[in-house]
Amino acid sequence: TQLLEQSPQFLSIQEGENLTVYCNSSSVFSSLQWYRQEPGEGPVLLVTVVTGGEVKKLKRLTFQFGDARKDSSLHITAAQPGDTGLYLCAGAERGGSYIPTFGRGTSLIVHP
Amino acid sequence: DVKVTQSSRYLVKRTGEKVFLECVQDMDHENMFWYRQDPGLGLRLIYFSYDVKMKEKGDIPEGYSVSREKKERFSLILESASTNQTSMYLCASSWTNLNTEAFFGQGTRLTVV
Repeated sequence: TQLLEQSPQFLSIQEGENLTVYCNSSSVFSSLQWYRQEPGEGPVLLVTVVTGGEVKKLKRLTFQFGDARKDSSLHITAAQPGDTGLYLCAGAERGGSYIPTFGRGTSLIVHP
Repeated sequence: DVKVTQSSRYLVKRTGEKVFLECVQDMDHENMFWYRQDPGLGLRLIYFSYDVKMKEKGDIPEGYSVSREKKERFSLILESASTNQTSMYLCASSWTNLNTEAFFGQGTRLTVV
């Protein structure tokens, strides 16, 4: 059983569409991170959410941490081909662990 | 900017060879990690280190060993490479805090033939 479940696994959309990807768990997290990975490259950190209910914006990307700190979402407005990539969520369970566990990711393709 | 550098982008090795993957970080991070990434399986932790000369097994340590002689360098060793170790290998580093933000290298695509 995966500690962090991401959905959907794959997403193929047209430029200009909006989308939301989800990261869910039954565990409580101290914080959650979102990364984007382009083909053949390592993941790049986008954001960290720490406080339950927190919302962070990064240009057209909006990240939300659930009130209970068990889930998170990433919403992209007016997707562009440059948003194409694998989106990963990661975190460590509350309790002092500093080792990040990753979800399996959402693979996003944005067609021009 | 944090920089994590892996020694090779692509490697092709023969079955049975001993393989060394090197990783260097420049941010004085305490923690370093080795993951492998395979389609449909996500990132799986092989080994991690929280200090010089300290190492802990991750989820899939079999067939691998590691070395951390200096704080900035963490090496992954495949003692006798096998075809099922063909994968993308990712090194990461982080500070010891509960935010668990990890900074990754560019990855090494290893093919064992």
